[in-house]
Amino acid sequence: EIVLTQSPATLSLSPGERATLSCRASQSVSNFLAWYQHKPGQAPRLLIYDASNRATGIPARFSGSGSGTDFTLTISSLEPEDSAVYYCQQRSNWLTFGGGTKVEIK
Amino acid sequence: QVQLQESGPGLVKPSVTLSLTCAVSGGSIISSNWWNWVRQPPEKGLEWIGEIYHSGSTNYNPSLESRVTMSVDKSKNQFSLKLSSVTAADTAVYYCATSVTAPRRIFDYWGQGTLVTVSS
Repeated sequence: EIVLTQSPATLSLSPGERATLSCRASQSVSNFLAWYQHKPGQAPRLLIYDASNRATGIPARFSGSGSGTDFTLTISSLEPEDSAVYYCQQRSNWLTFGGGTKVEIK
Repeated sequence: QVQLQESGPGLVKPSVTLSLTCAVSGGSIISSNWWNWVRQPPEKGLEWIGEIYHSGSTNYNPSLESRVTMSVDKSKNQFSLKLSSVTAADTAVYYCATSVTAPRRIFDYWGQGTLVTVSS
């Protein structure tokens, strides 16, 4: 099983700041990595797939990068509504999710 | 656009079989989608349970495979999950999900989720 490790566990930033979230895979997943935003009581929302492709309707402030084992989700300028837990997910070998990074807006 | 809606009992007793259904609207169950189940235990992360195609082909998470059965009902445009011998560790919000415009196993459409509590 490919294990995805996300860091940091929690990120506390102010509106307008840049958020950088990390996801590291236990073995190469090529570019088969996605990012989701998950708010309490809602379904997860797809943000990025295949490492760097924004999903339909996702604002340009969300961007993804990386390949192999190291990936990054960047939120260029935080908005209050970006407060959520963010998960990475790989589909290279079966399907697994990371443990999540909680983004708090001060 | 595709909409997914989970249904099933919110409370099940330990050792029984949990049964959930996901109704598909705005699209056909016999399209080229794979239909998935994902769960989230309280205060924990997401876990993929498995996927099913309208032909009946399935792929299950190896960690759950011995207890999972998925099926499709084409006449009702829905698919189902059965999880046997449940314990408290199976308490979770269960989501159905699929890929419509995204690649397979990338989920751009989700149900709202249904909480299932395993307790006597």
